[in-house]
Amino acid sequence: GAGVSQTPSNKVTEKGKYVELRCDPISGHTALYWYRQSLGQGPEFLIYFQGTGAADDSGLPNDRFFAVRPEGSVSTLKIQRTERGDSAVYLCASSLTGLAGAYEQYFGPGTRLTVT
Amino acid sequence: QKEVEQDPGPLSVPEGAIVSLNCTYSNSAFQYFMWYRQYSRKGPELLMYTYSSGNKEDGRFTAQVDKSSKYISLFIRDSQPSDSATYLCAMRKANSKLTFGKGITLSVRP
Repeated sequence: GAGVSQTPSNKVTEKGKYVELRCDPISGHTALYWYRQSLGQGPEFLIYFQGTGAADDSGLPNDRFFAVRPEGSVSTLKIQRTERGDSAVYLCASSLTGLAGAYEQYFGPGTRLTVT
Repeated sequence: QKEVEQDPGPLSVPEGAIVSLNCTYSNSAFQYFMWYRQYSRKGPELLMYTYSSGNKEDGRFTAQVDKSSKYISLFIRDSQPSDSATYLCAMRKANSKLTFGKGITLSVRP
């Protein structure tokens, strides 16, 4: 595909349930980022993958949040024991990488998660 | 204090007006500066990207960076109703996460 895709576009779940959010980056992009955007706020960083490994997971709020990228392409963000405060739009972005560090991040449409 | 502060909104202007959007930052390690546009229920779309201090122009949009003052701006000339969206400033170090401002919602009245 031409851009970053995310599925599902909307997810409604009950408090305490487990959810998985999927991101398909732009083909050939080695870097993948997850952000979370609450209403009226800018996106906040969660985790960054370089290839298959998490290069920076400092933004994950607690151990209920986990993300994988097993083959260096598609990534899944997993949230256990969801809480109402997890309700937000989860955005995925991808980019090329290089020594210059000048490549930009392109965002998907996001997954709107609502925890009831 | 947040690393990136963005002028609060919302902002409403008549069609054809010049719009000025501003952000300040505190981390002198930031090297790359971006403006993203976000329409309702869509992902952020990269609008402008700059590296060095100075101005960069693209059509009706001009991005300005002043690293000495830790200040960036986006100017929109001849604003159009289609420019109505939320504008997010963002910045980062090399190969690193983006740090965003809060965003400002712009409405251009026909």
